[in-house]
Amino acid sequence: ETGVTQTPRHLVMGMTNKKSLKCEQHLGHNAMYWYKQSAKKPLELMFVYSLEERVENNSVPSRFSPECPNSSHLFLHLHTLQPEDSALYLCASSQVRDETQYFGPGTRLLVL
Amino acid sequence: DAKTTQPPSMDCAEGRAANLPCNHSTISGNEYVYWYRQIHSQGPQYIIHGLKNNETNEMASLIITEDRKSSTLILPHATLRDTAVYYCIVRARNSGYALNFGKGTSLLVTP
Repeated sequence: ETGVTQTPRHLVMGMTNKKSLKCEQHLGHNAMYWYKQSAKKPLELMFVYSLEERVENNSVPSRFSPECPNSSHLFLHLHTLQPEDSALYLCASSQVRDETQYFGPGTRLLVL
Repeated sequence: DAKTTQPPSMDCAEGRAANLPCNHSTISGNEYVYWYRQIHSQGPQYIIHGLKNNETNEMASLIITEDRKSSTLILPHATLRDTAVYYCIVRARNSGYALNFGKGTSLLVTP
């Protein structure tokens, strides 16, 4: 266990559904990240929160909406997704400006 | 971040040492070498990192050449659970948030 948990681990949703992914870190870190990993592709950084402020948003479509209510929790709200959004969504955390990121187990998302 | 080159795949017998190479000939003086691994369909796992000196922890050892243009990750006694894709990442502190994992080396540990 890395100290980063994600729920749910698997999710199937239709294109009209709204769902949320949750991430929690128990490491006392103050930066949290969302990554997307599609089949046969490298990890893509989606969002970064540092000290609870969003500091990076890499041209992610608005159907993905992150929320960081405190330094231990991170959410990714999903609505009207497309089948090409099916992927492994990974959460990570680190200390601010420490390059060592610790990852959660991921949520495997399938959009039908 | 400096570019890295890793072999696409390697095999290792269980109980033997697994030596995974990484070339980073354009590495800058302030760039660290990080190793992560990803077991199928799981999140990446941090293994070790270093700047100049060799490093060892409970998981592995990292050997960095004197000119810093290459490094080797050593798993001293590989087990079947070490089968994974291993990523060598070179980056400087404060160089941005994204970790560029590249294609890595797929290590297969066989009985």
